[in-house]
Amino acid sequence: GDSVTQMEGPVTLSEEAFLTINCTYTATGYPSLFWYVQYPGEGLQLLLKATKADDKGSNKGFEATYRKETTSFHLEKGSVQVSDSAVYFCALTDKAAGNKLTFGGGTRVLVKP
Amino acid sequence: DAGITQSPRYKITETGRQVTLMCHQTWSHSYMFWYRQDLGHGLRLIYYSAAADITDKGEVPDGYVVSRSKTENFPLTLESATRSQTSVYFCASSISGLAGTGELFFGEGSRLTVL
Repeated sequence: GDSVTQMEGPVTLSEEAFLTINCTYTATGYPSLFWYVQYPGEGLQLLLKATKADDKGSNKGFEATYRKETTSFHLEKGSVQVSDSAVYFCALTDKAAGNKLTFGGGTRVLVKP
Repeated sequence: DAGITQSPRYKITETGRQVTLMCHQTWSHSYMFWYRQDLGHGLRLIYYSAAADITDKGEVPDGYVVSRSKTENFPLTLESATRSQTSVYFCASSISGLAGTGELFFGEGSRLTVL
């Protein structure tokens, strides 16, 4: 079945550091890929998405590029802020596998001032 | 206020008791979902519903019951709670089905502890 693998956290950074969270996937068909973010005490919210190979999703300074050849969708931000402290989830939907949203395990990011 | 709300936000219960977690959305989204979030497992789908009176099992449905008599409500019942059901439960809704845009709108979660 479909699956999403993320790097384990926690990832601890200083403010203005560069952030990368690795995400790789396996899918039966041709999936759409997503990053969700969960701020402390809140539910998840969509951060960005990409629906086809080489698409780049971006939002709030975060970017991720759909790499079909490496089955990856790594999340990056050039200069993190304390307010970026959250749990980040990579996810996919795959029409060939019933279109349900499959999540990775989540990566906790802590940004220190 | 518009949105998706869950209640209770926190619940402590004992093994064997019945617990119902409520979910209400004001957007008239067709699809609604229940997930549980556990350390090391991320989010796992328990049940989902495509419309009123239509529900289907997700990845981990055992021990849970759902109903959807009205579009806006999607309660989740643990008929006889077990310690393994200690978790954070998230309700979510979607405009356009299981995938569509892929954007699910989540509630703030209900933290359930089973003693």
